[in-house]
Amino acid sequence: RKEVEQDPGPFNVPEGATVAFNCTYSNSASQSFFWYRQDCRKEPKLLMSVYSSGNEDGRFTAQLNRASQYISLLIRDSKLSDSATYLCVAQGWNYGGSQGNLIFGKGTKLSVKP
Amino acid sequence: DAGVTQSPTHLIKTRGQQVTLRCSPKSGHDTVSWYQQALGQGPQFIFQYYEEEERQRGNFPDRFSGHQFPNYSSELNVNALLLGDSALYLCASSLAPTRSDTQYFGPGTRLTVL
Repeated sequence: RKEVEQDPGPFNVPEGATVAFNCTYSNSASQSFFWYRQDCRKEPKLLMSVYSSGNEDGRFTAQLNRASQYISLLIRDSKLSDSATYLCVAQGWNYGGSQGNLIFGKGTKLSVKP
Repeated sequence: DAGVTQSPTHLIKTRGQQVTLRCSPKSGHDTVSWYQQALGQGPQFIFQYYEEEERQRGNFPDRFSGHQFPNYSSELNVNALLLGDSALYLCASSLAPTRSDTQYFGPGTRLTVL
């Protein structure tokens, strides 16, 4: 079983639509969670961190459910510029308190059409 | 504020050759992590360097080795290249691994092995 799993898509949506991405992680010891955005042939860029209390950044809302080991990202009022691959990421902490490496899902491709 | 830089941007090698990729971290960062991203996959963690030592390692063979210099820059070396090593190699920098900190990615080096 993959450590971080997400639907690869593609999600093809019209401008203005609301779209939701889901992700599950297998390691219950994971401590931190993120959504990264990756444009075609570019590096991943941090979109937002994900907290248990849920957090919002403009049109983007992220949620974490530790009991279900489930992470979500909601994009409201989609723009053409939102077209990209969205990577779900988990990070653990190692014994001794050092930051663990990032574990990426395969990514979900979003295409927003006019 | 200089971000993460990597060189070269593209590289073509043949099977059995050796390659060295370079990374300079974001200003103020002292930790460098390397990731391999095959086509259609999420980035996979190779290793992390801090204080010129390899601190963590992912599931990669010994053909993958690295180094960190006193100025925090880093190199990734891959020996005896295989066709399957063709990928985008990403470098990410952050503050000391004992601190919870975002990892920032460089633009990557696209390696093609023929």
